[in-house]
Amino acid sequence: EADIYQTPRYLVIGTGKKITLECSQTMGHDKMYWYQQDPGMELHLIHYSYGVNSTEKGDLSSESTVSRIRTEHFPLTLESARPSHTSQYLCASSLAYTQYFGPGTRLTVL
Amino acid sequence: KQEVTQIPAALSVPEGENLVLNCSFTDSAIYNLQWFRQDPGKGLTSLLLIQSSQREQTSGRLNASLDKSSGRSTLYIAASQPGDSATYLCAVRGAQKLVFGQGTRLTINP
Repeated sequence: EADIYQTPRYLVIGTGKKITLECSQTMGHDKMYWYQQDPGMELHLIHYSYGVNSTEKGDLSSESTVSRIRTEHFPLTLESARPSHTSQYLCASSLAYTQYFGPGTRLTVL
Repeated sequence: KQEVTQIPAALSVPEGENLVLNCSFTDSAIYNLQWFRQDPGKGLTSLLLIQSSQREQTSGRLNASLDKSSGRSTLYIAASQPGDSATYLCAVRGAQKLVFGQGTRLTINP
C-alpha cells in the first residue's frame, strides 16, 4: 500500500483566491508528479519533479506553480484561482516505473 | 506525439463473465505499459505493469498482454465481480512521462 497523501480532498473557493494543494509521500521517492483530470477524461501531466530543487512543466499548460524543497513534499499553488481551474488534481510519486497516486483534490472555483 | 485510446468507453456485463478491455497506442517506442483502476472520486491504483520486453503479466484474476509492434494491450478480467466496477485506465511510458487513455468505465451487474 502506497503512502501518499493529498489535502484538502475537496475545496470550493471564490475567483481570485490564492490556493495551495498539498501532496506528501512517506516512501522516499525521488520522482513526483501532478496531474489534472476532468470528469471522464484522461489525466494530463502538468508538473513533475525528479528530486529536491528540480521541477519541470508537463504537457498541459497550467497557470499553477510547484516547489520541491523536501523530498517528501510537492505542493502546487494557484496564485489567482479562476473557474477554468475547476478540476480534479492528482499527485503521484515513483521510485522506478510504477507510479503511486494520492486520493486527489477536487477543486471547484466559483 | 503519443496518443492512447481505450475502447469501449463504457462496458456493462453480468457478474461472473470474463471480459476484455482494450488499449491502443500510436508510438511503439515505449518503456512499459501500466493498467490502473480508478474508483469514483478517488486516485489511481496500479494493477499491472508490463515492461516493453514482456508479453504479459498476471495478478490474480487479471491478465494484461502487450503487443508493442501493433501498439495494443488488453486487460482480461476473469469471473467478474461487482467489486470490479470502476474505471480502468491504461498508460504508456515514453522517455520521461506516462501518457494516459481516457479509460473504460466498467459496471458489473449482480
